[in-house]
Amino acid sequence: DQQVKQNSPSLSVQEGRISILNCDYTNSMFDYFLWYKKYPAEGPTFLISISSIKDKNEDGRFTVFLNKSAKHLSLHIVPSQPGDSAVYFCAASARGNQGGKLIFGQGTELSVKP
Amino acid sequence: DVKVTQSSRYLVKRTGEKVFLECVQDMDHENMFWYRQDPGLGLRLIYFSYDVKMKEKGDIPEGYSVSREKKERFSLILESASTNQTSMYLCASSLMGNNYGYTFGSGTRLTVV
Repeated sequence: DQQVKQNSPSLSVQEGRISILNCDYTNSMFDYFLWYKKYPAEGPTFLISISSIKDKNEDGRFTVFLNKSAKHLSLHIVPSQPGDSAVYFCAASARGNQGGKLIFGQGTELSVKP
Repeated sequence: DVKVTQSSRYLVKRTGEKVFLECVQDMDHENMFWYRQDPGLGLRLIYFSYDVKMKEKGDIPEGYSVSREKKERFSLILESASTNQTSMYLCASSLMGNNYGYTFGSGTRLTVV
């Protein structure tokens, strides 16, 4: 049973426009959410996170929005750049989860066209 | 710069072989994890460890075992490799607690023939 779902396997956006990547979760115990970015032949790198006590967190061009009632979060990238082309993974963690275990979604491959 | 190092970038092994994937971190992290990445399935947790000599099964432990004899090293063992274990294997580490993200290694692309 997939507790964290990214229903769009791929997304294509023009350079300079907004990229919106979506993520849904089912476990109401999740209280911390993260986005990771992965280039081919490299490990994922941390991008941005949000605690369940917030509904928005911003870091430069990247903003994560959390809608707890809908169990939905999204990552906005504005403006998108060709270097943003990568696979993006959403991840979630539950309070009291031993060792801070993260549950990952399937990933969305973003392609930013020049 | 903090690092998680996986010993091999690419491996090709034969069906039935015993395979060792090694991971070392230099950040004094308590937690270490092994994931595999497959298209359409994302990252799936195989095993994790939150202390030396401790291990916990993840979501897909069948066919795998792990060893953590030292805090900095976490090994994944494929007891008898099979073709359905062909995958990208990713090691990660983190501090204790659920408000810390992972630091990942670069991954090992394993092909079982």
